[in-house]
Amino acid sequence: EAGVTQSPTHLIKTRGQQATLRCSPISGHTSVYWYQQALGLGLQFLLWYDEGEERNRGNFPPRFSGRQFPNYSSELNVNALELEDSALYLCASSPGQGGTEAFFGQGTRLTVV
Amino acid sequence: AQKITQTQPGMFVQEKEAVTLDCTYDTSDQSYGLFWYKQPSSGEMIFLIYQGSYDEQNATEGRYSLNFQKARKSANLVISASQLGDSAMYFCAMRERSGGGADGLTFGKGTHLIIQP
Repeated sequence: EAGVTQSPTHLIKTRGQQATLRCSPISGHTSVYWYQQALGLGLQFLLWYDEGEERNRGNFPPRFSGRQFPNYSSELNVNALELEDSALYLCASSPGQGGTEAFFGQGTRLTVV
Repeated sequence: AQKITQTQPGMFVQEKEAVTLDCTYDTSDQSYGLFWYKQPSSGEMIFLIYQGSYDEQNATEGRYSLNFQKARKSANLVISASQLGDSAMYFCAMRERSGGGADGLTFGKGTHLIIQP
């Protein structure tokens, strides 16, 4: 069984551009969570999608957005990139809200120059 | 107040020794889940073990066990017979049920474990 997959693994963008990150959850999982792991800040919750809807977002500005598709895969979009957006972005999937499983993908390392 | 506290920023351990990584948590929920993850330098977060607040037995997964002391709000990870490949960052995390998982997992700051030959 395939795990959580994220693409691309690395992404380099310039300040002001937009970045799109993708996540495919484990088959049968309907919830997708996005996290940002910036140097020195630890893992911070970004967004939660379940059954195609945005259910909650963390303390991030609106230029961080995303969506979940009917097949439960998800996109994270970051607009008007800033240097401090450079981080590892991790996606996790769960079989519905509050599940006992939370498996992560390998992450997308975004570098803003 | 921090919800997850990992007091050991770094640890050096001899190969084949047992390791205990500390984690304390803070929640007013009666129902919650505790997770441990391993993050090697590649960045991937690898799920190790889960403990539910109502689970009476301590969780075990191969060489990993979770020493769950509910009254002390402690969920330490024990790695038996450590191996060189265990060198990595280890994160303790909690999911509180009151929000239905809305806030995802809350992570501690991690412990950098280095296994020495």
